[in-house]
Amino acid sequence: DAKTTQPPSMDCAEGRAANLPCNHSTISGNEYVYWYRQIHSQGPQYIIHGLKNNETNEMASLIITEDRKSSTLILPHATLRDTAVYYCIVRSISSGSARQLTFGSGTQLTVLP
Amino acid sequence: ETGVTQTPRHLVMGMTNKKSLKCEQHLGHNAMYWYKQSAKKPLELMFVYNFKEQTENNSVPSRFSPECPNSSHLFLHLHTLQPEDSALYLCASSQDPSGANVLTFGAGSRLTVL
Repeated sequence: DAKTTQPPSMDCAEGRAANLPCNHSTISGNEYVYWYRQIHSQGPQYIIHGLKNNETNEMASLIITEDRKSSTLILPHATLRDTAVYYCIVRSISSGSARQLTFGSGTQLTVLP
Repeated sequence: ETGVTQTPRHLVMGMTNKKSLKCEQHLGHNAMYWYKQSAKKPLELMFVYNFKEQTENNSVPSRFSPECPNSSHLFLHLHTLQPEDSALYLCASSQDPSGANVLTFGAGSRLTVL
């Protein structure tokens, strides 16, 4: 799986957009970009994933660069409840037996009032 | 109830105790997972079950014994644990192993071993 690089921490003002970057320069053609977040002492929560087109759902938007070497997760109007560790993960869609989803250190996003 | 439910949420046990963690998913998923998260460390996959059959064991010590009686329930039996086993134990499920990248996690069981 391609390695990802994320800043260890970021701050964002409440009500503003939070833009969380992720570098994945070694991504291969069949690998998707996944984002999860983990609020303190809770289980991780799936947010969104994409291959090459930008994606949007009720939680966030995912912008993937044309060369697919980096991506940005956008929380359009951050709230205090969005304070969490955000994980960017690159993996291929597997078929057959289950495979391990590896969580790195992520980015600690702190939304400030 | 919906989602993935874990009980108990908090557990304190001595090194000679036997206890069990329980996980139940109400999503109709076929694959279930145990993860361990120690303080300041990334999540570590422990076990994977697919249609009740164990398909992965990531070199977990035998003092952790999983059980999956059906696709909706997963247990982690604990025996003769060490203080370093204190951690947040997370259960997750996915539609099937091919959808293993989209996991639904429970809130976790916080274990303290004295």
